[in-house]
Amino acid sequence: AQTVTQSQPEMSVQEAETVTLSCTYDTSESDYYLFWYKQPPSRQMILVIRQEAYKQQNATENRFSVNFQKAAKSFSLKISDSQLGDAAMYFCAYRRPTGANSKLTFGKGITLSVRP
Amino acid sequence: DAGVTQSPTHLIKTRGQQVTLRCSPKSGHDTVSWYQQALGQGPQFIFQYYEEEERQRGNFPDRFSGHQFPNYSSELNVNALLLGDSALYLCASSSRTWGQFKGEAFFGQGTRLTVV
Repeated sequence: AQTVTQSQPEMSVQEAETVTLSCTYDTSESDYYLFWYKQPPSRQMILVIRQEAYKQQNATENRFSVNFQKAAKSFSLKISDSQLGDAAMYFCAYRRPTGANSKLTFGKGITLSVRP
Repeated sequence: DAGVTQSPTHLIKTRGQQVTLRCSPKSGHDTVSWYQQALGQGPQFIFQYYEEEERQRGNFPDRFSGHQFPNYSSELNVNALLLGDSALYLCASSSRTWGQFKGEAFFGQGTRLTVV
């Protein structure tokens, strides 16, 4: 079974600074997707960034980028130029390619606070 | 596009009662998945519906059941409610057949269930 581990329950960053959120996962599959989701107090899960395992290039989305280390099964999220609106819970998630086993497996999440 | 909509947003039930939660998927999506998110935890997969059948199920008892209608909307039913069923219930919709990232999940804002 696949597992996703987020060992840091909380992190804090100064506005405009950079922060890195860590995630490790375990799988025997070679083809899969990894995601970072943001969940603000409004509760809606919002996709921040995705990474396809077969792509060696790290994904980037504006101020968000990942460090994907497939051999180490590590998938960290870097937030640059942190903004007050980045404060939320962040979840790392794993999914196999679409089909019968396309459920998302989430980590426990990390609460990110942004200091003005 | 209204996205994924869930109803109700909040409800309070008494132990032993039954509850039905509803979800309308994003336009064009044919697959609905349900997740339970306990306070301070990551979402846990309950089950997934496609073509009106349960296709995959997580580690949840038979008290949790669901249904998908011909218009792809879905219901989650929980019988004999326990205090431990108090959680945020998230619905996610996806498509198996189209999109750059087939199977990518879009989430609703959830239903907060409190069992007293």
